[in-house]
Amino acid sequence: DGGITQSPKYLFRKEGQNVTLSCEQNLNHDAMYWYRQDPGQGLRLIYYSQIVNDFQKGDIAEGYSVSREKKESFPLTVTSAQKNPTAFYLCASSTSEQGARGRNQPQHFGDGTRLSIL
Amino acid sequence: KQEVTQIPAALSVPEGENLVLNCSFTDSAIYNLQWFRQDPGKGLTSLLLIQSSQREQTSGRLNASLDKSSGRSTLYIAASQPGDSATYLCAVRPGSGGSNYKLTFGKGTLLTVNP
Repeated sequence: DGGITQSPKYLFRKEGQNVTLSCEQNLNHDAMYWYRQDPGQGLRLIYYSQIVNDFQKGDIAEGYSVSREKKESFPLTVTSAQKNPTAFYLCASSTSEQGARGRNQPQHFGDGTRLSIL
Repeated sequence: KQEVTQIPAALSVPEGENLVLNCSFTDSAIYNLQWFRQDPGKGLTSLLLIQSSQREQTSGRLNASLDKSSGRSTLYIAASQPGDSATYLCAVRPGSGGSNYKLTFGKGTLLTVNP
């Protein structure tokens, strides 16, 4: 079945450590997104990518980095510069953003990674 | 700046009841509005997407309406079941501008349907 796979499901970070969250999709989607969800808060966009080898900062990109070397993969690195990394991280994908048809397609989400500090 | 508000934050109802969840947004220049469902510890599942030119969308027991000019949307769930228990989020996509890719989410309504 087509979908988005996030791993690991749970991740623990030691102080000063960088950690990488994996996101893979087999939906043949061009656009991919990373969101952060905190208790009682709406989702906030960290980074997004419309096409391979291109990505843009979202609202809360500080302390995070991404890469988009393959269409299927959009890993997120939480760096030591992110002082409050404890959250639920969600990856999403959608068809190409161009045109009305693309922009009216829903985003599809993975099952998330819960990151905590040791 | 677009803001999305969902009321109530939590709702508990007996099984079989019809219910309405509310979503309001401050900037009416939207491209579309989506309703999502989120089960505990899981990702979001898209339920309905309403384009700005549409008034409502239906899927099974779910009906979503959109009044763009007043900045409101409702999600109607008919004959609720315990399996409907989840958090329901709405999100709007801006109609124009350089950041028209970005969805703005509400904080969600936690629905509990009691057997």
